[in-house]
Amino acid sequence: AQSVAQPEDQVNVAEGNPLTVKCTYSVSGNPYLFWYVQYPNRGLQFLLKYITGDNLVKGSYGFEAEFNKSQTSFHLKKPSALVSDSALYFCAVRDRGGYSTLTFGKGTMLLVSP
Amino acid sequence: GAGVSQSPSNKVTEKGKDVELRCDPISGHTALYWYRQSLGQGLEFLIYFQGNSAPDKSGLPSDRFSAERTGGSVSTLTIQRTQQEDSAVYLCASSLGLAGGAAYEQYFGPGTRLTVT
Repeated sequence: AQSVAQPEDQVNVAEGNPLTVKCTYSVSGNPYLFWYVQYPNRGLQFLLKYITGDNLVKGSYGFEAEFNKSQTSFHLKKPSALVSDSALYFCAVRDRGGYSTLTFGKGTMLLVSP
Repeated sequence: GAGVSQSPSNKVTEKGKDVELRCDPISGHTALYWYRQSLGQGLEFLIYFQGNSAPDKSGLPSDRFSAERTGGSVSTLTIQRTQQEDSAVYLCASSLGLAGGAAYEQYFGPGTRLTVT
């Protein structure tokens, strides 16, 4: 079985400060890892993914995430937050073997204050 | 190009009625997924299609829920005898495929907000 934990329901950060949204995962094999963002009344938008190779993955809108195999984590980061980054963020995992589908975390609401 | 589209965007129905939700995936995407998003519950996987086949129906909450896909394209999610607990946003997504461990990202539609009164 595979699972994802996003330990924070909400993260608050001031504009211009760095942000981190946490994600840990559990899979039986090696993972594919994804981050998605959902703006109000919109569907989910793909941000970035880890497949293999460099543990630091860069994605859309200046976001990046670091894969840490020993800690089974894939935290989302951005050096300088914008008010427009305020949204709901989902981490997702898929075991790279077989035909498993994506398992999503419960989401973390990011609020960036001016 | 066109993204994933879903219709209707909003649906209000009375308890006990049947509803049909439609999803048009991105052209060429062989995999199609249905999820349910309830307030504070994250995304709940319902079913996925590879082509017209549904290898994994494990997420369907009950036998009142069914889905089909025709022509490797459009999919319909049907909920029979709706209950108030069925109220949620139903999201559809598509991707290039699932076979062989490929890490294709999913592209989501805007969702259908279902309210059962």
